[in-house]
Amino acid sequence: DTGVSQNPRHKITKRGQNVTFRCDPISEHNRLYWYRQTLGQGPEFLTYFQNEAQLEKSRLLSDRFSAERPKGSFSTLEIQRTEQGDSAMYLCASRELAGGPPTQYFGPGTRLTVL
Amino acid sequence: AQSVTQPDIHITVSEGASLELRCNYSYGATPYLFWYVQSPGQGLQLLLKYFSGDTLVQGIKGFEAEFKRSQSSFNLRKPSVHWSDAAEYFCAVGEPQGGYQKVTFGTGTKLQVIP
Repeated sequence: DTGVSQNPRHKITKRGQNVTFRCDPISEHNRLYWYRQTLGQGPEFLTYFQNEAQLEKSRLLSDRFSAERPKGSFSTLEIQRTEQGDSAMYLCASRELAGGPPTQYFGPGTRLTVL
Repeated sequence: AQSVTQPDIHITVSEGASLELRCNYSYGATPYLFWYVQSPGQGLQLLLKYFSGDTLVQGIKGFEAEFKRSQSSFNLRKPSVHWSDAAEYFCAVGEPQGGYQKVTFGTGTKLQVIP
């Protein structure tokens, strides 16, 4: 069990550029979640996948954001035409699908800075 | 909708002193409850969780939490704080039922430990 990994750990970009983040969940975890965390706040839910299907999206996920999980393993989160307000920590979490409480295991996050 | 309140934004304790971090939730039934810890620039690590049964839950690093239904609280405690406990602590509540079993986080309590 290598845990949830995220790449890159840090990303600095200029406003208007596109960025893509990757998340590798714990193997055999069917559910994968993306959160955004701004300074002084707790993580806010963005979207989640069950296997390759994206089943829920938050209103926070504007049309500039897109997430994929093409083979039900790793996931990518892309932000197009970045804005300064997108600067945040983007966290990925995964959990097993099997019935039971929703214990999510988090990755280290990707810190995005938009200049 | 479920919500979580962590009334203390920042707490300072002396090393060796006891600690209690407060968490109140709002939910129609008994939710799933979690405490996570986040070191600067890092992801969230699960400290402990409550689903049912014994209302006093033991976690990692010597932490414990007590679920009090009558007070809608899930306070985190540690009898003797170590300097390495300095971090931000997040309480979270999860829905026992529903689609993606949403987990909502509080805004966090930042713990400072002084020698």
